[in-house]
Amino acid sequence: QKEVEQNSGPLSVPEGAIASLNCTYSDRVSQSFFWYRQYSGKSPELIMSIYSNGDKEDGRFTAQLNKASQYVSLLIRDSQPSDSATYLCAVSNIQGAQKLVFGQGTRLTINP
Amino acid sequence: DAGVTQSPTHLIKTRGQQVTLRCSPKSGHDTVSWYQQALGQGPQFIFQYYEEEERQRGNFPDRFSGHQFPNYSSELNVNALLLGDSALYLCASSSDRYTEAFFGQGTRLTVV
Repeated sequence: QKEVEQNSGPLSVPEGAIASLNCTYSDRVSQSFFWYRQYSGKSPELIMSIYSNGDKEDGRFTAQLNKASQYVSLLIRDSQPSDSATYLCAVSNIQGAQKLVFGQGTRLTINP
Repeated sequence: DAGVTQSPTHLIKTRGQQVTLRCSPKSGHDTVSWYQQALGQGPQFIFQYYEEEERQRGNFPDRFSGHQFPNYSSELNVNALLLGDSALYLCASSSDRYTEAFFGQGTRLTVV
């Protein structure tokens, strides 16, 4: 079992719709959770972090964390073509991003 | 305020050679982590440096070594290069006072 699992996609969503990206993790003591966006040929860019159960909203992005289910998700509202990228879920078992374990990423395509 | 900077951006080496990659962390950050990202995969943790010492290490052979300097910048050295070492090498900086890690633009290493 992989430590962090994501559906590799591709996930195709029409422009203006909600994109939902999911991630599960195996280490129950994980404390910190991050979503990174990576455009083709570029490095990962941090878009959201979440540390406690529930929802965290930042603009069009909402991260959701359920530690009991070992599940973290990212919702992108009003999806734009510029949101087309690979989204990486990363998990750390200590407070902070001291050692990140990444999923393989979900490739998202927003169709105009 | 400069972000995380890496050099060089691209590099081509021959099997068996040695390579050194460099990273300068974001201002105010004292921790540098290195990741290897193969095509189509999520980044894999190589090691982390804090206070000029290796604090954590991932599942990479001893051919991978590093160093951190008093100004917090860091080097990643890879000896006896293999074709399989071809990847994007990412440097991430963070601080124990903060919880998020930010990536540099990466170094694309090709081993031929």
